This record gives sequence, structure tokens and C-alpha cells, in this order.
Amino acid sequence: KAGVTQTPRYLIKTRGQQVTLSCSPISGHRSVSWYQQTPGQGLQFLFEYFSETQRNKGNFPGRFSGRQFSNSRSEMNVSTLELGDSALYLCASSLEGQGVREQYFGPGTRLTVT
Amino acid sequence: DQQVKQNSPSLSVQEGRISILNCDYTNSMFDYFLWYKKYPAEGPTFLISISSIKDKNEDGRFTVFLNKSAKHLSLHIVPSQPGDSAVYFCAAGGYQKVTFGIGTKLQVIP
Repeated sequence: KAGVTQTPRYLIKTRGQQVTLSCSPISGHRSVSWYQQTPGQGLQFLFEYFSETQRNKGNFPGRFSGRQFSNSRSEMNVSTLELGDSALYLCASSLEGQGVREQYFGPGTRLTVT
Repeated sequence: DQQVKQNSPSLSVQEGRISILNCDYTNSMFDYFLWYKKYPAEGPTFLISISSIKDKNEDGRFTVFLNKSAKHLSLHIVPSQPGDSAVYFCAAGGYQKVTFGIGTKLQVIP
């Protein structure tokens, strides 16, 4: 079974631009969560989607948004990029019934904002 | 407000010895605790978990201990191997949301 895939793996953007990251969960997984990882903050929860609905949301500004499609693939969008948005963005999927326990993570998208 | 704290940013252990990684939490509503391992350029990998109704869970070389009164959990790796060198994240939460610590970098010296 293929793992969680994220595209692109690396991205360089300029302050003020917007960016869209993509995540394909493991086949059969309907829950997709997004996390931001920075050196001093660890993994911070952005949001979780289940069956195309945002089920939970972390404490990030409205510039961070996401969506999930009927095939469970998910996208995350960040508008008006700031230097502080430079981070590794991780997507994780899990089986229905597991919630966000025992999540399976993708390799991440490394976003650099200049 | 860090609800899950890993106070040791790094740890070095000799191969074959025990590695003990610690984690403290503040939210008494957490009912599920997990450890993840992360290698560079890869996403975190689930390692082991424990429910709040238990105080110990073992899986091969990995054992997690939970002390609810102290709001403390620890991961023991015995014996430690060079391939265990990675960043270890502690996480705690419930069904729909988990909170991660900032990680502890473990180096196992051959």
C-alpha cells in the first residue's frame, strides 16, 4: 500500500505570494490532518478534515485554509505569505475510527519564504 | 501555552544502553499518549502509544510508562541501537486532536 504523498517536496516563495500544498492520503484513509513544523515549536496542528469537512482547527490565522476532496485528497493554502511561514508542512492520514491517533505522515513540503 | 513539554532537546546514549526520553503534559483531559520517531527528510513515524487507563505499554525494545498523577510519560528503549538515532516526538490528546511536543534528538553512539 502506498504511503502518504505530498507535493511539492520543496517550494520557495516570496513574501506576499500565496501557495497551495497537496496531500494524498493512504488508500482507505478518510481523515487528513495538517501540521506545521518549525525548529522551536515542534509540530503545530493546523486543521483536520474528514469526509470533505473540516472537523477540527488549530490556532492559526485565517490566511491558512484547507479543503478535502471526495477522494480524500487534501490541499492546504496559505495566502499573503510571511517570512515566519517558512516551515516544514506535514500531512497525516488515519483510518476512520482511529481519529487522529496513530497517524501516518507524509515526508512533508519544505516551504521557504524570502 | 505548551501543553506537552519535552524539556531535553537532545540526548546521547551508548549503543546497548538504555535510552530514556521524557515528556510532561499539563492537560488532565488528555486520554491518549503517543510517541513518534522522525528521521531527517522523512515524516514522523508512529512508534508506540498508551491509553490513560494503562500505566505501561511494551512493544519489543520500546516501553512507554505513564504516570498520571505526575502528568509524566517516558519512553524507554532497551537496548539502544545506532538506527534509533532520530528526533522523538511525544504527543497527547484525544480522538480528534493531538498536541505534540517540540521533540528530543536522540543520538546513539556506536
